Amino acid sequence: KNEVEQSPQNLTAQEGEFITINCSYSVGISALHWLQQHPGGGIVSLFMLSSGKKKHGRLIATINIQEKHSSLHITASHPRDSAVYICAACQNRDDKIIFGKGTRLHILP
Amino acid sequence: EAQVTQNPRYLITVTGKKLTVTCSQNMNHEYMSWYRQDPGLGLRQIYYSMNVEVTDKGDVPEGYKVSRKEKRNFPLILESPSPNQTSLYFCASSPNPNSYNEQFFGPGTRLTVL
Repeated sequence: KNEVEQSPQNLTAQEGEFITINCSYSVGISALHWLQQHPGGGIVSLFMLSSGKKKHGRLIATINIQEKHSSLHITASHPRDSAVYICAACQNRDDKIIFGKGTRLHILP
Repeated sequence: EAQVTQNPRYLITVTGKKLTVTCSQNMNHEYMSWYRQDPGLGLRQIYYSMNVEVTDKGDVPEGYKVSRKEKRNFPLILESPSPNQTSLYFCASSPNPNSYNEQFFGPGTRLTVL
């Protein structure tokens, strides 16, 4: 079993839909990152969370430390949101980073 | 412009021929890390460094070496590359000497080992 699990693996939605991507982890963490990988391959950091909720534009990330679960939400989705979204857990015992396998999101116009 | 640069961006080489992929950041970041990305396996951490002369193994360090002689540079060395090291490699840096902060990623290096 992977230490960081993402769901769904693939998601296709219509423009304007509310999107939720989930990340569950089994290790003790100090923080959790959400990353976006564009079709061209570049990776951008979206959020770093250690508790609660963060919002940036149409993106919202939440984390529940007790349940070891984080979600990334996209409101009013747009075709330019099409990308792979990756969660990454920072282990608190050694600072190593473990990644989920990513969620490929495709927003149709 | 604040950035992480990697060179080369693309490389095709043969088994056993030593190579170095350079990584440099101009943000005075203390934390730097190397990752590889493979289809079906996602991103995996190879090595990381919390500061000059301090390096630690990630999840998949076998077959790789790193050095951190100065803060801005963190080269990845493949002493004897093998085909299973064909992958997309990313370097990243972060402001503080741990992984608790936003990471800035380089553009990636696509390596093919024949």
